Amino acid sequence: KAGVTQTPRYLIKTRGQQVTLSCSPISGHRSVSWYQQTPGQGLQFLFEYFSETQRNKGNFPGRFSGRQFSNSRSEMNVSTLELGDSALYLCASSPGVSTVTQYFGPGTRLTVL
Amino acid sequence: AQTVTQSQPEMSVQEAETVTLSCTYDTSESDYYLFWYKQPPSRQMILVIRQEAYKQQNATENRFSVNFQKAAKSFSLKISDSQLGDAAMYFCAYRPSQGAQKLVFGQGTRLTINP
Repeated sequence: KAGVTQTPRYLIKTRGQQVTLSCSPISGHRSVSWYQQTPGQGLQFLFEYFSETQRNKGNFPGRFSGRQFSNSRSEMNVSTLELGDSALYLCASSPGVSTVTQYFGPGTRLTVL
Repeated sequence: AQTVTQSQPEMSVQEAETVTLSCTYDTSESDYYLFWYKQPPSRQMILVIRQEAYKQQNATENRFSVNFQKAAKSFSLKISDSQLGDAAMYFCAYRPSQGAQKLVFGQGTRLTINP
């Protein structure tokens, strides 16, 4: 089985722009979670999606949004980018909401200039 | 709110030796899961080992084992016979058994293996 894939792997944007990141979960997995990883704040939970519904959201401003499609693929969007949004954005998938283990993708490295 | 603390930002060990990484956590839940994830440089995070809080027996996976002390809220990772490929950032993580698929991570420990 292919693992979790994330596109693009690297992205450079300027302040004020918006960006969309994509995550394709492992085949058959219906739960997708997103995390932000920065040197200062570490790994922080962004959102969790299951069956196209957002089940949980972390403590991030409304500029961060996401969605999940019927094929379980997920996207996250960040509008009005700030320098502090520079981070590695990780996606993780699991078969269902009650499944314990999440499997991570390689991440998208976003740099905001 | 649950918190996870890794007090060792960096550790180093000689190849073939044993090293223990520390992790403490805080929660009011009685049922939860604990994990150790490994993130090699520029590579993706992979699960090393997981522990269910209701199990008293410590989890083991080949050269990796944990020391789970529920009362003390301590969850350390022991790596035996360290190998060069074990060099990575190691993250301790917590998840309640019910509710969100939300992992709460510690700040990580960077492990260096000296040949």
